[in-house]
Amino acid sequence: GAVVSQHPSRVICKSGTSVKIECRSLDFQATTMFWYRQFPKKSLMLMATSNEGSKATYEQGVEKDKFLINHASLTLSTLTVTSAHPEDSSFYICSAPTGSSGSSTDTQYFGPGTRLTVL
Amino acid sequence: RKEVEQDPGPFNVPEGATVAFNCTYSNSASQSFFWYRQDCRKEPKLLMSVYSSGNEDGRFTAQLNRASQYISLLIRDSKLSDSATYLCVVNLNTGFQKLVFGTGTRLLVSP
Repeated sequence: GAVVSQHPSRVICKSGTSVKIECRSLDFQATTMFWYRQFPKKSLMLMATSNEGSKATYEQGVEKDKFLINHASLTLSTLTVTSAHPEDSSFYICSAPTGSSGSSTDTQYFGPGTRLTVL
Repeated sequence: RKEVEQDPGPFNVPEGATVAFNCTYSNSASQSFFWYRQDCRKEPKLLMSVYSSGNEDGRFTAQLNRASQYISLLIRDSKLSDSATYLCVVNLNTGFQKLVFGTGTRLLVSP
């Protein structure tokens, strides 16, 4: 099946630093990728939709200047958490649909997630 | 009201038991429905899609009632390996896929 990878799997950083997370589709092209965040014992919450060749679409309440998204190619999207603070500590997960049409029948595959801890 | 609501859990059942999870969604325009499984500190993995006619995959049966905006998952003959959190997921498909996740129901299957 389709594979989505994320790097790094875990990162610990100091408050105020920026952290970049990469999401790659390994065996298919993804014009769109999604970024989610999951706090402990909470559900996954969609943060933004990453679009190759255009600006990302952010969900309400997500600061676009804090969470920078760059969809550099058809297989790579990056999320940069700028000036990270302890409240940004969370599990960040990306996903990519296998189809290019955006149909509701496309299957979304999730990356293994990145656990961010900001001290 | 949450967009997707699930049984709070956790469900503690012995091996071999049958267990059912329920889920309701608030947006009547929702297009497609899924059950995902998430193990502790891992990413969610698709368990099965849910169709209006109901569908079965081995020991797992999913049902959808669009009129009641209700989704269910039945697991028969529970295995230890079924222990996980089960996420009810709805696709709003507002021009493109937008998955909305429930908070999940935790299942613990004991020997």
